[in-house]
Amino acid sequence: KNEVEQSPQNLTAQEGEFITINCSYSVGISALHWLQQHPGGGIVSLFMLSSGKKKHGRLIATINIQEKHSSLHITASHPRDSAVYICAVRSNSGGSNYKLTFGKGTLLTVNP
Amino acid sequence: NAGVTQTPKFQVLKTGQSMTLQCAQDMNHNSMYWYRQDPGMGLRLIYYSASEGTTDKGEVPNGYNVSRLNKREFSLRLESAAPSQTSVYFCASRATFTGNQPQHFGDGTRLSIL
Repeated sequence: KNEVEQSPQNLTAQEGEFITINCSYSVGISALHWLQQHPGGGIVSLFMLSSGKKKHGRLIATINIQEKHSSLHITASHPRDSAVYICAVRSNSGGSNYKLTFGKGTLLTVNP
Repeated sequence: NAGVTQTPKFQVLKTGQSMTLQCAQDMNHNSMYWYRQDPGMGLRLIYYSASEGTTDKGEVPNGYNVSRLNKREFSLRLESAAPSQTSVYFCASRATFTGNQPQHFGDGTRLSIL
């Protein structure tokens, strides 16, 4: 079982819709990251969080440490939001806390 | 501020050829990382450098070597390329090795081995 599971794998939405992408993990963590990758492009860090909620523009990230679950929400989605969204966690166990473990990503397509 | 710069952006090699992927960061970060990204899989760590002068193996180091040339530069070398090394390679850096800061990624190198 992967340590980081994302759902859905693929998501197609109409412009303006509210989007939710989920991430579940199985280890204790010190931080969770949400990353964005446009087709053929580089990877950009959107959020890093260890508790609660963060908001940046139309993007909102939440985390529930007890349930080992995080969500990324996009309000009023736009075609330029089309990208792969990747969840990654940093373990809080001494032997593994140097590295990130990545989910496989969620491919979001927003149609006009 | 360029951030993390990778060269080349694209490369095609024949099996058995060697090449070096270059990575440089201008953020004065201590730690640097090399990942590979393959279809249907999450990013996997090849090698990392916690600080200038140190390098360590990640999850998938076989077939690769690295050099932390100075604080800015961290190169990845394929000594004898194999088709299984066809992938997209990302370099990343972080301010410190143990603190909770975001990683900054380069734009990737798309490598095909024929």
